[in-house]
Amino acid sequence: DVKVTQSSRYLVKRTGEKVFLECVQDMDHENMFWYRQDPGLGLRLIYFSYDVKMKEKGDIPEGYSVSREKKERFSLILESASTNQTSMYLCASNPVRNNEQFFGPGTRLTVL
Amino acid sequence: QKEVEQDPGPLSVPEGAIVSLNCTYSNSAFQYFMWYRQYSRKGPELLMYTYSSGNKEDGRFTAQVDKSSKYISLFIRDSQPSDSATYLCAMSRSNDYKLSFGAGTTVTVRA
Repeated sequence: DVKVTQSSRYLVKRTGEKVFLECVQDMDHENMFWYRQDPGLGLRLIYFSYDVKMKEKGDIPEGYSVSREKKERFSLILESASTNQTSMYLCASNPVRNNEQFFGPGTRLTVL
Repeated sequence: QKEVEQDPGPLSVPEGAIVSLNCTYSNSAFQYFMWYRQYSRKGPELLMYTYSSGNKEDGRFTAQVDKSSKYISLFIRDSQPSDSATYLCAMSRSNDYKLSFGAGTTVTVRA
């Protein structure tokens, strides 16, 4: 079974802190994605990566950056956390042969 | 206007009822259509995956795609309390791994 793991289930940070969210997948998938999920807005794509050291902006990249140094790991970075970044963050991966995405359990981030 | 529209509900049905969910979309280039199920405090999991127009059945679940109307549906027969979850539609263009999601419909099946 594909497994996508995220470093934390719940996280509480203060405004202005630098926040790292880690995602690891164990199925050798080429593609990885970061979304945020907010009530009434569904899943919105923040960044994605089709290969190591490659990254592309999604629909809402402002205030975020990413890093993909290894194929299995995709990190989301909040350079200076703000209260409007309080959200559920979901990581996903998929192989190049299809576009079925496998999701991690999510990290619920609260910025105070 | 959002690219994918989905009524957020909530939807509450008695056990054994048929649950009907749907999404509309505006981008005629979408070719792949998916339904994800998300239980509370969990990540979404793929439920149904269809390509282009037509029907697909898997046990109690049926997915329908009508590209001419830009409308997709998911039906759940003989609904069970374990079907209580948020259902998200998602779609993508050919040769594009990015998915566009609906807002999700929250379903509660009452025992």
